Amino acid sequence: DQQVKQNSPSLSVQEGRISILNCDYTNSMFDYFLWYKKYPAEGPTFLISISSIKDKNEDGRFTVFLNKSAKHLSLHIVPSQPGDSAVYFCAASAGYGNKLVFGAGTILRVKS
Amino acid sequence: GAVVSQHPSRVICKSGTSVKIECRSLDFQATTMFWYRQFPKQSLMLMATSNEGSKATYEQGVEKDKFLINHASLTLSTLTVTSAHPEDSSFYICSARVQSNEKLFFGSGTQLSVL
Repeated sequence: DQQVKQNSPSLSVQEGRISILNCDYTNSMFDYFLWYKKYPAEGPTFLISISSIKDKNEDGRFTVFLNKSAKHLSLHIVPSQPGDSAVYFCAASAGYGNKLVFGAGTILRVKS
Repeated sequence: GAVVSQHPSRVICKSGTSVKIECRSLDFQATTMFWYRQFPKQSLMLMATSNEGSKATYEQGVEKDKFLINHASLTLSTLTVTSAHPEDSSFYICSARVQSNEKLFFGSGTQLSVL
């Protein structure tokens, strides 16, 4: 039972364009969402988060949007850079600091 | 950011042997460490949560006698896969959380292959 789903296994984007990574969840108790980025041979690193009281959180080139009614969130990267090429994991928790449930990840390739 | 070191990065073993994976927080004290497993094309699945000095809390469906977790200090947690079988072949990754900070810091993972 996958509570957090990233339906696109991979995404390819041209440098300078926008990358949009999507994530859907099924558990209505989730109220805190995070994105992690993972390079090969390294562990995931925290990228950006959003709590359910917001619908948008922005940090530089990265913006996360949350649509609670649709149980959907997305990560926008603009402009995309080759160094953004990595696996991006969406994660959710029911309550701040509680255990995280991860999606399967999306491989982003930014072409120069 | 905080650094979590995980060793070994890759291990190949024969069926029936035990394998120990170490997870160390290098520059902070981790009151809580988490162990995840990821099969190909699937999500990172939480196996267990370990708090320093107490027994680990295992997720449903994870055999505690097969996956032994020890968190003897604030900087070290170990996962031992006992009597490993080919179906245990997976990517195992640990993470640590500083008290009152929700961010997780991950190790680089261990790819276990059981022949």
